Amino acid sequence: AQTVTQSQPEMSVQEAETVTLSCTYDTSENNYYLFWYKQPPSRQMILVIRQEAYKQQNATENRFSVNFQKAAKSFSLKISDSQLGDTAMYFCAFMKSGNTPLVFGKGTRLSVIA
Amino acid sequence: EAGVVQSPRYKIIEKKQPVAFWCNPISGHNTLYWYRQNLGQGPELLIRYENEEAVDDSQLPKDRFSAERLKGVDSTLKIQPAELGDSAVYLCASSLVGGGRGDTQYFGPGTRLTVL
Repeated sequence: AQTVTQSQPEMSVQEAETVTLSCTYDTSENNYYLFWYKQPPSRQMILVIRQEAYKQQNATENRFSVNFQKAAKSFSLKISDSQLGDTAMYFCAFMKSGNTPLVFGKGTRLSVIA
Repeated sequence: EAGVVQSPRYKIIEKKQPVAFWCNPISGHNTLYWYRQNLGQGPELLIRYENEEAVDDSQLPKDRFSAERLKGVDSTLKIQPAELGDSAVYLCASSLVGGGRGDTQYFGPGTRLTVL
């Protein structure tokens, strides 16, 4: 079974600074997908970024980028120019293949401080 | 494009009472998921539908939980009777098989259930 580990329960960052959230996972699969979701207090789980394991290039979405290290089974999220609206729980998630359930980590609570 | 819709947003009930949650997925999405999120945890799958067929319900406590997806669109998740330990957020998600976004799952706002 796949597992996802987020070792940082809480983090904080100053507005406009850069922060990196860590995620490691365990799987015997070769092809899979990795995701970062953001969950603000409204509880809506919002997709931040996704990465296909067969792609060597790290995914980027505006201020959000990932560092995907397949051999190390590591998938960290970097948020540049942090904004107050980035304050939320961030979940790392693994999906074995299309149309299968997501396996989530326990989340990292990020606070952006003015 | 409208997102995943869930209702109600909040529900407070006494233990042993029944409760039902409703989900309307993104139009055209053929796969629907129900997840349960306990406080301080990530969501965990309860059941997955492909069209109207439940293809993964191994984590659904079948003695008290039931679900249906009529006509492969809307879905209802029911608990009868509810127990204190059922207090959680119930999330619905949908995805499109073979979609260009790699079957990315999109979530609704969730229902927060409190059992007293």
